[in-house]
Amino acid sequence: GAGVSQSPSNKVTEKGKDVELRCDPISGHTALYWYRQSLGQGLEFLIYFQGNSAPDKSGLPSDRFSAERTGGSVSTLTIQRTQQEDSAVYLCASSTLFTSGGEQYFGPGTRLTVT
Amino acid sequence: GESVGLHLPTLSVQEGDNSIINCAYSNSASDYFIWYKQESGKGPQFIIDIRSNMDKRQGQRVTVLLNKTVKHLSLQIAATQPGDSAVYFCADSRAGSARQLTFGSGTQLTVLP
Repeated sequence: GAGVSQSPSNKVTEKGKDVELRCDPISGHTALYWYRQSLGQGLEFLIYFQGNSAPDKSGLPSDRFSAERTGGSVSTLTIQRTQQEDSAVYLCASSTLFTSGGEQYFGPGTRLTVT
Repeated sequence: GESVGLHLPTLSVQEGDNSIINCAYSNSASDYFIWYKQESGKGPQFIIDIRSNMDKRQGQRVTVLLNKTVKHLSLQIAATQPGDSAVYFCADSRAGSARQLTFGSGTQLTVLP
């Protein structure tokens, strides 16, 4: 079946511009996560959506970052006034509802380069 | 603070040998642990997971061991193959944390011919 898809796969933008990154989760997955991975590093949690509940935004690094999830499916991560330190791979993952832990399925990521 | 760390950033093994990748976690409330494999340019791919009520779980050529006393887990890969070359991440989560995964920085496994 179809996995998690993300677009674009690569994005180069100038410092100060806004960017939107898109994530299409696996159909039926109610949980959706955004992570950021800097070069040679592990993944850093950004934001979590679960059904119709208010998102957990505790990982967003600044107010320039925001995300929304429409209709409980597609999600967009928006970075306003991009900075060079925002350059990273942004990964989206989705999962089924669980309480005792469970596998998150990752997309291929969007590589963002801020020049 | 909360962290999940790996003992070695790189590991080289001969093809056919067994590999052991270690990971330490700091949060005693963590109750779910997972290993991911990440190849260059791709997203992390699930390998195996384990819940805190277990101390060992086996998959195909892989075994995860969990020692809650010392907050340590390991990934064992049997008969390592060239296709196993990748970065391996451990991650943990706990109930009440939105189940967000806290990742270690990764171990680069290189399989030598």
